[in-house]
Amino acid sequence: DGGITQSPKYLFRKEGQNVTLSCEQNLNHDAMYWYRQDPGQGLRLIYYSQIVNDFQKGDIAEGYSVSREKKESFPLTVTSAQKNPTAFYLCASSIAQGAGQPQHFGDGTRLSIL
Amino acid sequence: GENVEQHPSTLSVQEGDSAVIKCTYSDSASNYFPWYKQELGKRPQLIIDIRSNVGEKKDQRIAVTLNKTAKHFSLHITETQPEDSAVYFCAAPHQAGTALIFGKGTTLSVSS
Repeated sequence: DGGITQSPKYLFRKEGQNVTLSCEQNLNHDAMYWYRQDPGQGLRLIYYSQIVNDFQKGDIAEGYSVSREKKESFPLTVTSAQKNPTAFYLCASSIAQGAGQPQHFGDGTRLSIL
Repeated sequence: GENVEQHPSTLSVQEGDSAVIKCTYSDSASNYFPWYKQELGKRPQLIIDIRSNVGEKKDQRIAVTLNKTAKHFSLHITETQPEDSAVYFCAAPHQAGTALIFGKGTTLSVSS
């Protein structure tokens, strides 16, 4: 779905470093999400935001932070507190009119530790 | 909170056979159940979804059935083709909101 852009495609983090993953959408969606994908683990919810300037923790929020200053943007920061950050990170968005809305995904960012 | 279990984790079929993947959920208030297909190295894409007010939905070779009493829903793919080979994920709403909780995925391999 060309409406969601994640960058960079590949990212490398040094020990003790914070890194930020970008997610931008031009679908005019209110809700945005971050998922982490590990082999055999499916997609696990990190953070989500249903409206600008508001966000909630998902199931694995520890070691991550987000902001939602603009409707189009939902950056994810992987902090040095996240001890096992190597994974594939997926951003998604949806219309936030109650539950049951299809989510559209970006192409993902693959994060590795140097 | 919601918990989604997906089975099997891997499924191998011959081209032309049918494939069935089953998911169970824990929250009886959940009302939306999507299925996503993810090809290697690509983004997940929605292939079909069902809401709790219907028991079955079809789209060409793909169908989803929902049993609210038993709290399970299944993906059925008929006349499988090699291009159906991918990882399939089921999902259910996270805490009645717009976020989703995903199953761990089923790797489907269709051999010709």
